[in-house]
Amino acid sequence: SQKIEQNSEALNIQEGKTATLTCNYTNYSPAYLQWYRQDPGRGPVFLLLIRENEKEKRKERLKVTFDTTLKQSLFHITASQPADSATYLCALLTTSGTYKYIFGTGTRLKVLA
Amino acid sequence: DAGITQSPRHKVTETGTPVTLRCHQTENHRYMYWYRQDPGHGLRLIHYSYGVKDTDKGEVSDGYSVSRSKTEDFLLTLESATSSQTSVYFCAISDPGGGRETQYFGPGTRLLVL
Repeated sequence: SQKIEQNSEALNIQEGKTATLTCNYTNYSPAYLQWYRQDPGRGPVFLLLIRENEKEKRKERLKVTFDTTLKQSLFHITASQPADSATYLCALLTTSGTYKYIFGTGTRLKVLA
Repeated sequence: DAGITQSPRHKVTETGTPVTLRCHQTENHRYMYWYRQDPGHGLRLIHYSYGVKDTDKGEVSDGYSVSRSKTEDFLLTLESATSSQTSVYFCAISDPGGGRETQYFGPGTRLLVL
């Protein structure tokens, strides 16, 4: 069956350190992989998109890698801050005919001051 | 923020009653999606639309129907609500293709079925 897995346990890190979140998938051939941030009681907010032919993408303190051989994406937040505390969701965009997004369950990140 | 509104924002209903949730966008995006979010399950796709009157099922479509008669509105109907449909429902829009693959989410509707 098709699955997207993210670390279900919360990730606690110290302020200033780099947070690394993992997204693994099986039985998909996504054209794009995206990362979203979700705060409690709010809808997800788009952060970064990486295409299947891209290895790495950066935006300010955020970095995403995409390994289609391993079927894995890593999401890094460098110099983390308490304001980065949130749930982070990865999503695959499949493009067979129509466009559908398949989401992982998310990883809760807590940055400790 | 992308122009997406959902109504109602909160609803309490009884088992067996019909419920309709509305999603309205002002962005003229082609695609609209309905998700439900439950603890331990993340966001799961219920139905989506890729144009007026063009809809398709997602992974958890049983018990739900949708309609899209205008570009800006996407309705989700629970014909006969059950307690298992208690959830937070999110609408999202996108205009994929041509580099516009970002999905924008509405604020959510919290539904409690008693």
